[in-house]
Amino acid sequence: DIQMTQSPSTLSASVGDRVTISCRASQSISNWLAWYQQKPGKAPKLLIDKASSLKSGVPSRFSGSGSGTDFTLSISSLQPDDFATYYCQQYSTYSPWAFGQGTKVEIK
Amino acid sequence: EVQLVESGGGLVQPGRSLRLSCAASGFTFDDYAMHWVRQAPGKGLEWVSGISWNSGSIGYADSVKGRFTISRDNAKTSLYLQMSGLRAEDMALYYCAKATSAYCSSKSCPYDYWGQGTLVTVSS
Repeated sequence: DIQMTQSPSTLSASVGDRVTISCRASQSISNWLAWYQQKPGKAPKLLIDKASSLKSGVPSRFSGSGSGTDFTLSISSLQPDDFATYYCQQYSTYSPWAFGQGTKVEIK
Repeated sequence: EVQLVESGGGLVQPGRSLRLSCAASGFTFDDYAMHWVRQAPGKGLEWVSGISWNSGSIGYADSVKGRFTISRDNAKTSLYLQMSGLRAEDMALYYCAKATSAYCSSKSCPYDYWGQGTLVTVSS
């Protein structure tokens, strides 16, 4: 089964910082990767699918890159609304661990 | 406006059953696969089950296979999850989620809309 490993688990950053979150798959998933943002008490929000395709309405400061096994979510200039937990998700094939364990972006 | 409203959660004893429902509106329901994703308190996301647009293809996570049954009623624009043999490890917030495609069902898919979740508590 494919496992998704995110790093770091927690990230402390300031408003205006450039932030990068990594997601690694245990085997190739081509570009079948999505990124979500989840705030406390809320449902996840789809930011990016197909590794780099920004969904409608998502600010352009978010970007995704990668293919195969290594992927990155970047926030070019962190805004107060961006403090949240971010999850990657592979949808290449069934796995009990389709989602990464999450990366919490905290205020520094 | 797309809306997904889950209901049916609650406190249930181990081994008992529960049926979750999800009422959908604001989009053409039978154009999309629908899924259930759960999140245990303080934990990450776990795909549970998915069903294609016409119920022709269905998938389950290994952790729930044989105990949970997903179904949909396109006329009522509703999604269901029949859960039986509930265990402590099934305790979670269950989200109804709209897939971005019609056919993705046997694995997790990208989800562009989610409900607010319904909480299932399994305890004696």
